[in-house]
Amino acid sequence: AQKITQTQPGMFVQEKEAVTLDCTYDTSDPSYGLFWYKQPSSGEMIFLIYQGSYDQQNATEGRYSLNFQKARKSANLVISASQLGDSAMYFCAMREGSKGGNQFYFGTGTSLTVIP
Amino acid sequence: GAGVSQTPSNKVTEKGKYVELRCDPISGHTALYWYRQSLGQGPEFLIYFQGTGAADDSGLPNDRFFAVRPEGSVSTLKIQRTERGDSAVYLCASSLTNTGGRTDTQYFGPGTRLTVL
Repeated sequence: AQKITQTQPGMFVQEKEAVTLDCTYDTSDPSYGLFWYKQPSSGEMIFLIYQGSYDQQNATEGRYSLNFQKARKSANLVISASQLGDSAMYFCAMREGSKGGNQFYFGTGTSLTVIP
Repeated sequence: GAGVSQTPSNKVTEKGKYVELRCDPISGHTALYWYRQSLGQGPEFLIYFQGTGAADDSGLPNDRFFAVRPEGSVSTLKIQRTERGDSAVYLCASSLTNTGGRTDTQYFGPGTRLTVL
């Protein structure tokens, strides 16, 4: 089974609107971390936001928030007030284990296009 | 402060040649990771270093791939007898810790685009 599933290959959003990028994960470990990265066409992976499995509140970082639904094993990224510069690939990733794991498991990504 | 740097940014080589890709992590980060990213895919784990030792090399596709980190900072990914299928972007990342939690966040370099002709 895939550790991380991103079911939206491509998404479009009007500038200044909000958009939700879906991510579901699969783990039996009670302790894990969830991460979202942005990859513009330049190629560099940019860290956006982190959610720990034991965190009581949904993570927020500026215009980014994570809609964490633990029972459903989903960690959707919400981008508010979209900007043209938000056009990029977005990857969800998971790290398992309270002692840390040796790798991140990445999804296949969602390509977001912001329309002016 | 400086982020993760990788050199070269682009490398074109011929099938059968040997290549070295370099990664300079964020200062103070003890954990270092190599990933490979093919077009349209997410990064795929190759190897992880904690300090100088390779703690997990389970992602290396075969024995043509090898990586070192002799002084616990800069790392070099080495590919022998390159094949066309090795063409990809090779990403390096580093993290402050590897013990669970936000400080395990991996910060990525710009990558090296390897093309094997």
